[in-house]
Amino acid sequence: DIHLTQSPSSLSASIGDRVNVTCRATYNIDSSLSWYQQRPGKAPILLIHDVSTLQSGVPSRFSGGGSGTDFTLTISSLQLEDVGTYFCQQSYSNPALTFGGGTKVEIK
Amino acid sequence: EVQLVESGGGLVQPGGSLRLSCVVSGFDVRSTYMSWVRQAPGKGLEWVAVLHAGYSTYYGDSVKGRFAISRDNSKNTLYLQMDSLKAEDTALYYCARNDYGGNYMDLWGEGTAVTVSS
Repeated sequence: DIHLTQSPSSLSASIGDRVNVTCRATYNIDSSLSWYQQRPGKAPILLIHDVSTLQSGVPSRFSGGGSGTDFTLTISSLQLEDVGTYFCQQSYSNPALTFGGGTKVEIK
Repeated sequence: EVQLVESGGGLVQPGGSLRLSCVVSGFDVRSTYMSWVRQAPGKGLEWVAVLHAGYSTYYGDSVKGRFAISRDNSKNTLYLQMDSLKAEDTALYYCARNDYGGNYMDLWGEGTAVTVSS
């Protein structure tokens, strides 16, 4: 089974800060990685798929990168509305999909 | 409006059954892959099941043999039949639309809560 480990599990940053969230896979998953944002009390929304393709309507301050086993979600300038938990998800083992454990982002 | 609306959650005893529904609006439920994803209280996301456009179904290991995903094309509705429920099935269950390849989920409902307890 492919396991995804996210780090850090939580972070606190100031408005305008650059924020990086890392997702590491136990095996090479090529570019089969997506990112989701879940605001408190809300359903997840898709931010990025195929490592770096921004979903329609998602602000350009979000970006994704990486390949193989190591991936990064970057928020270039943290905003108040970015508070929430971020999850990575792999589809290399499609149809079985797995998620990372999540990274909680808060405002300092 | 393109949306997914889940219903059918509730309190059920261990060993019991429940059927969740997801009414699809704005697109044809037959046109793409559809998934159920759950989230236990205070925990992360867990993929549960997927139904391909061609009726193939796949399940996570924790629910295989107990849950069944299906759809009613005439009602444009996705279902999740849950049998032999366990306490660890307690979660918020989300219906989600996959891209055609089933690689990611680009539309989610608000979820319906299932509690398994005596």
